[in-house]
Amino acid sequence: KNQVEQSPQSLIILEGKNCTLQCNYTVSPFSNLRWYKQDTGRGPVSLTIMTFSENTKSNGRYTATLDADTKQSSLHITASQLSDSASYICVVSAASGGYNKLIFGAGTRLAVHP
Amino acid sequence: GAGVSQSPSNKVTEKGKDVELRCDPISGHTALYWYRQSLGQGLEFLIYFQGNSAPDKSGLPSDRFSAERTGGSVSTLTIQRTQQEDSAVYLCASSSPTPRNTEAFFGQGTRLTVV
Repeated sequence: KNQVEQSPQSLIILEGKNCTLQCNYTVSPFSNLRWYKQDTGRGPVSLTIMTFSENTKSNGRYTATLDADTKQSSLHITASQLSDSASYICVVSAASGGYNKLIFGAGTRLAVHP
Repeated sequence: GAGVSQSPSNKVTEKGKDVELRCDPISGHTALYWYRQSLGQGLEFLIYFQGNSAPDKSGLPSDRFSAERTGGSVSTLTIQRTQQEDSAVYLCASSSPTPRNTEAFFGQGTRLTVV
């Protein structure tokens, strides 16, 4: 069964600190993996996409990693800011019947406190 | 439209009433997903439409929930005899059929409150 599991479910950190969010998946055949950020009251927006051949990709203070062998991805946030408070959702794309079906994780709720 | 549009943005209904939530996906997107987020909880899958294929309804929590997608475009999520535990934000997302472009575009959601 295709599944995406994220941990932790929620996280509180102090402003300026770093944090790492985890995403484990059992999706086959794997196509790609995206991390989304969902601000309060808004719909999720894509932060970064990881394909099978990519191990790491940065987008400002966000760095995503992918280990296709262990089927794990992480999102590392450096020098956190109050505006990083949001839900972060991992979405894995599975090739299915000529289409790509998206499998969504439940998300990690991050709160950055001053 | 340029993005995924959901309506209404907010809905307050009395317990036992039926409600309809609408999602207008991006033109040309064959995949459409309904999810919900209860207060303090993560995303919960409800239903997935892909083109003319039979929808994946495996996430619908009870037979009070149903969804349609007419003409491969607009989708309506119907909740019959609403209960207080149905209170949540209902999110709709659509994505392109192009294998290389698998970004999901989300609507702003419908906040449903059952009183």
